[in-house]
Amino acid sequence: DIQMTQSPSTLSASVGDRVTITCRASQSISSWLAWYQQKPGKAPKLLIYKASSLESGVPSRFSGSGSGTEFTLTISSLQPDDFATYYCQQYNSYSSFGPGTKVDIK
Amino acid sequence: QVQLVQSGAEVKKPGASVKVSCKASGYTFTSYGISWVRQAPGQGLEWMGWISAYNGNTNYAQKLQGRVTMTTDTSTSTAYMELRSLRSDDTAVYYCARRGEYDDYWGQGTLVTVSS
Repeated sequence: DIQMTQSPSTLSASVGDRVTITCRASQSISSWLAWYQQKPGKAPKLLIYKASSLESGVPSRFSGSGSGTEFTLTISSLQPDDFATYYCQQYNSYSSFGPGTKVDIK
Repeated sequence: QVQLVQSGAEVKKPGASVKVSCKASGYTFTSYGISWVRQAPGQGLEWMGWISAYNGNTNYAQKLQGRVTMTTDTSTSTAYMELRSLRSDDTAVYYCARRGEYDDYWGQGTLVTVSS
């Protein structure tokens, strides 16, 4: 099984900050990685697929990069609506999620 | 528009089974798969498995092998997830999601509570 890790587990930031979340895979997954945003009591929302492709309707302040085993999600200027938990998911072999990164207000 | 509508909340006793449904609309059901993902209270997302709505092929997470069965009814564009021999640690919100290469549209979630 492919194990996913994320860092940090919690991130405190202010509106307007640039935020970067890292996701690592236990073996190469090429670019088969997605990022999701989840708010309390809601289903996850797809932000990024294939490591760097922006899902339709997602603001351009979100971007993804990486390949192989190391990936990043960047929010260029944090907005009030962005305080949430973010998960990476590999879909190279079956599927698995990272443990999540909670972005809260500093 | 693509929609996945799941069945309502369930309360089950340990050892029982639960079957959650996920009705799809707004796209050609057999052109995609359906993933199932669960989330225990206050915890992260756990991938449970995937079924092809085209041919019924399934892939299950190893830890659930033998207890989970995923099926589809193409006549009603509905997917089902049955989990047997329920334990207290199966208490979670269960989500279905449309699966092409990745999971793009998600259902609203179904809370399954396992309690004696």
